[in-house]
Amino acid sequence: KAGVTQTPRYLIKTRGQQVTLSCSPISGHRSVSWYQQTPGQGLQFLFEYFSETQRNKGNFPGRFSGRQFSNSRSEMNVSTLELGDSALYLCASSSTLQETQYFGPGTRLLVL
Amino acid sequence: AQSVTQPDIHITVSEGASLELRCNYSYGATPYLFWYVQSPGQGLQLLLKYFSGDTLVQGIKGFEAEFKRSQSSFNLRKPSVHWSDAAEYFCAVGPPTGNQFYFGTGTSLTVIP
Repeated sequence: KAGVTQTPRYLIKTRGQQVTLSCSPISGHRSVSWYQQTPGQGLQFLFEYFSETQRNKGNFPGRFSGRQFSNSRSEMNVSTLELGDSALYLCASSSTLQETQYFGPGTRLLVL
Repeated sequence: AQSVTQPDIHITVSEGASLELRCNYSYGATPYLFWYVQSPGQGLQLLLKYFSGDTLVQGIKGFEAEFKRSQSSFNLRKPSVHWSDAAEYFCAVGPPTGNQFYFGTGTSLTVIP
């Protein structure tokens, strides 16, 4: 079974732009979560989707948003990029809300 | 408040030596506990997890962890470290339902020959 895939793997943007990251969960998985990983803050929870509904949201500004489609694929969007948004964005999927999460390789975003 | 503490930022061990990585958590309910490993430029790979039952759990790559409720700890151990174990290790705690995990800041492991 294929793992979690994230596209693109690397991205360079400039301040003020917006970006959309994509995550395809493991086949059959209905839950997708997003995390931001930075050297200073470590791994921080962004949001969690299950069956197209956002269930939880972390402590991030409204510039960070996401959605999940009927095929469980998920996208996250960051608008008005700031330098501090430079990070590795990790997506994880699980079959239900009580099962183990499996992580993708991440999208590395650099904001200049 | 929920939190995970990994007191050791960096650990260096010799190949073949034993390893213990510490993890302490603070969580309001019965937690689900996890250890993940991250190699440079990679995502997170699950090493092991604890939901309930036997407090000593076995994982992949010869790792094990012991849940001690009285100490709020979930330390990771390996009896003999291999050079390929060099990586970043993260302890995480999550709710019984949902996937809002809280991660520790990680412990970087260096293995010397």
